[in-house]
Amino acid sequence: EVQLVESGGGLVQPGGSLRLSCAASGFTFSSYWMSWVRQAPGKGLEWVANIKQDGSEKYYVDSVKGRFTISRDNAKNSLYLQMNSLRAEDTAVYYCARAGTSMIVVDFDYWGQGTLVTVSS
Amino acid sequence: DIQLTQSPSFLSASVGDRVTITCRASQGISSYLAWYQQKPGKAPKLLIYAASTLQSGVPSRFSGSGSGTEFTLTISSLQPEDFATYYCQQLNSYPQSFGPGTKVDIK
Repeated sequence: EVQLVESGGGLVQPGGSLRLSCAASGFTFSSYWMSWVRQAPGKGLEWVANIKQDGSEKYYVDSVKGRFTISRDNAKNSLYLQMNSLRAEDTAVYYCARAGTSMIVVDFDYWGQGTLVTVSS
Repeated sequence: DIQLTQSPSFLSASVGDRVTITCRASQGISSYLAWYQQKPGKAPKLLIYAASTLQSGVPSRFSGSGSGTEFTLTISSLQPEDFATYYCQQLNSYPQSFGPGTKVDIK
């Protein structure tokens, strides 16, 4: 059974940092693109970042470029999101998602339960 | 960046109704479109990928169509468990944006 379990969310002050983790199981993690998607309270979904199977390609939404870094450890079946210089508008539930085995991402077929990040003083 | 619009934003329907949701892209995205269902407090669930391919395990009452800039998600006979919010997502180019969502509520 495919499982994605996020952790690391919490309350952080503006300008602070947080590192989210996603533990994957039930599939060959190193064969898949992985992604982070977020959802602000009461709002829609926003794609945040993708990382290729070997970590050689990374893509970000403009609003987090230079502040967030997506990474992975295939030996530990884990995905990460390092978030620096956090802003109030980064407050959201952050979902980890599995994003396919092909050369490009064509869907997000499994999602974790999400972890809440709250940026507030 | 490619913008997605969905119509309607809100839809009130009864069990057994046929429901159609439209997603329009600001430029052509071939068939790189997915549809997701999200219930309150839950993670999104993939329904349709490549515009018209039903994800494994998804009931056949869900179907998708379209290519280029206009796409539709159809629920042929709405069931009680289908009341949720539906999002389209384009995967043609980065950023891989989502539509604003369509909430399907009980009439």
